[in-house]
Amino acid sequence: DGGITQSPKYLFRKEGQNVTLSCEQNLNHDAMYWYRQDPGQGLRLIYYSQIVNDFQKGDIAEGYSVSREKKESFPLTVTSAQKNPTAFYLCASTAAGHWGYTFGSGTRLTVV
Amino acid sequence: SQELEQSPQSLIVQEGKNLTINCTSSKTLYGLYWYKQKYGEGLIFLMMLQKGGEEKSHEKITAKLDEKKQQSSLHITASQPSHAGIYLCGAVGGSNYKLTFGKGTLLTVNP
Repeated sequence: DGGITQSPKYLFRKEGQNVTLSCEQNLNHDAMYWYRQDPGQGLRLIYYSQIVNDFQKGDIAEGYSVSREKKESFPLTVTSAQKNPTAFYLCASTAAGHWGYTFGSGTRLTVV
Repeated sequence: SQELEQSPQSLIVQEGKNLTINCTSSKTLYGLYWYKQKYGEGLIFLMMLQKGGEEKSHEKITAKLDEKKQQSSLHITASQPSHAGIYLCGAVGGSNYKLTFGKGTLLTVNP
């Protein structure tokens, strides 16, 4: 079955460490997105990519980095520059010119 | 940038009661999505509305988009505990297909 796979489901990071969240899709979707969710804040867009080797900053990109070397993959790195990284992270994808978004099941990142 | 305001922020109802959640946009909506989320899980797509005055229903949930395409409502009839969760509205405001979300409405249904 086609879908989006996020891993790991839970991730713990020590202060000062970079961590990478994985997002893989087998839907042949062109565009991929990363969102952050905090209690009472809804979802906020971190980065998005509409084609391979190209990506744009969303509303809260500071402290994050991404890459899009393959159509299927859009990993998100939470760097040590992100001062408050504890949150729930969701990845999504959609086909170009299409209105349907598919979401992964999320990764909960906790700083310890 | 587009902003979506949801109301109420939280809602507690008795099983069997009807309820409505609202989503208001600061700009004209190109597409309005409703999602449901259980805590700590991904988003479940409910409905998408594009045309002014459009109304869609699925089981006991009905969503409407007003004629001006700036406000949407989600109505649940005869609520059940299975309806409990966070309801999020999302909107696409332009050709880049960026999806912007409201802050969500937390629904609790007491048996």
